[in-house]
Amino acid sequence: EAGVTQFPSHSVIEKGQTVTLRCDPISGHDNLYWYRRVMGKEIKFLLHFVKESKQDESGMPNNRFLAERTGGTYSTLKVQPAELEDSGVYFCASSGTGLRNTIYFGEGSWLTVV
Amino acid sequence: AQSVTQPDIHITVSEGASLELRCNYSYGATPYLFWYVQSPGQGLQLLLKYFSGDTLVQGIKGFEAEFKRSQSSFNLRKPSVHWSDAAEYFCAVARGANFGNEKLTFGTGTRLTIIP
Repeated sequence: EAGVTQFPSHSVIEKGQTVTLRCDPISGHDNLYWYRRVMGKEIKFLLHFVKESKQDESGMPNNRFLAERTGGTYSTLKVQPAELEDSGVYFCASSGTGLRNTIYFGEGSWLTVV
Repeated sequence: AQSVTQPDIHITVSEGASLELRCNYSYGATPYLFWYVQSPGQGLQLLLKYFSGDTLVQGIKGFEAEFKRSQSSFNLRKPSVHWSDAAEYFCAVARGANFGNEKLTFGTGTRLTIIP
């Protein structure tokens, strides 16, 4: 069974440009999460989808970040325009339905804004 | 809001020595507790989790953790570390409001270095 996959694994963009990160959750997982780790800081929650609906987007830093989950399958996280402080690792995670599910993480998308 | 403290930013131990990584949480009720590990170039892998019941939890790779309610702690232990255990370790909590299908709050991580 494939795990959570993220693309691209690494991205270097200039300040002001746009980047779109993609996440494919484990097949059948309704819950999809985005997290971010800025260098030297803790991993912080960004948002949570249940199927195609945003369950909790309390961690989204500002309106430069837009997350979508088309048809309840894969998800994209767009940063537009990117700022220097957006550099970090963006993790996607997914979990199934039911009680006390394990949340599985992807390998992360490393974003550097220069 | 809940918070997680990992007081040790970096720990160095000799191969074969025992290990204990500390984690304290701040939350009114008993949260769900997790330990994740990130090896170089890899994603986050779940080592173990605690929801309820037996306070000593066994995980993968020979790790265990003990939940101590009185100390608000969930320390990770391993009796004998291997060079492959060199990684960054993260403690995380969830409120348990949605049976685990909710956001995690992470600590800042502890980087573990193993020396021969």
